[in-house]
Amino acid sequence: GENVEQHPSTLSVQEGDSAVIKCTYSDSASNYFPWYKQELGKRPQLIIDIRSNVGEKKDQRIAVTLNKTAKHFSLHITETQPEDSAVYFCAAIERSNYQLIWGAGTKLIIKP
Amino acid sequence: NAGVTQTPKFQVLKTGQSMTLQCAQDMNHEYMSWYRQDPGMGLRLIHYSVGAGITDQGEVPNGYNVSRSTTEDFPLRLLSAAPSQTSVYFCASSNRGSQETQYFGPGTRLLVL
Repeated sequence: GENVEQHPSTLSVQEGDSAVIKCTYSDSASNYFPWYKQELGKRPQLIIDIRSNVGEKKDQRIAVTLNKTAKHFSLHITETQPEDSAVYFCAAIERSNYQLIWGAGTKLIIKP
Repeated sequence: NAGVTQTPKFQVLKTGQSMTLQCAQDMNHEYMSWYRQDPGMGLRLIHYSVGAGITDQGEVPNGYNVSRSTTEDFPLRLLSAAPSQTSVYFCASSNRGSQETQYFGPGTRLLVL
């Protein structure tokens, strides 16, 4: 079945710098890759997603890139701000039942 | 719209007790799912439903039952609670399936003693 690995588990960056979180997946047939943000004590919320027919997608300070050959996708956050502090989860589709398999999460800390 | 709602917010159970976690959505979504979230393990799918009357197992279904008699409600039943079921439980819904935006409820924190 699908396996999603997410790195790093914790990332600390200076405010204003960029942050990059990477996920690898095992099923080459997986075709949908969302990223969710979970603030402390809150519910996860979708921030961006990408499908396998595109290599990159941007939304203001957030971008996701997909490398199908290497089977990895990354979340890029530029000009980080204090409100970016949260846990970020990636996910990919499990081919057997078309359900999401999630990475373990990355805790992003923005230092003032 | 209230979106996705869950009750209770917090529950303490003793080993062997049963209970039902409630989930409701008012967005007329066909797809609903239950996850558990444990530290360092991300979200793991327990059960899901693609429409009223249709349910299926996810990654970690043992010890849980679900039913979907209406589009709006998707309760999760713990049959005989065990300490290993201590977790935060999230219900989610989407318009049609897992490849669309999942709207999560606020979560239920469950402690099994």
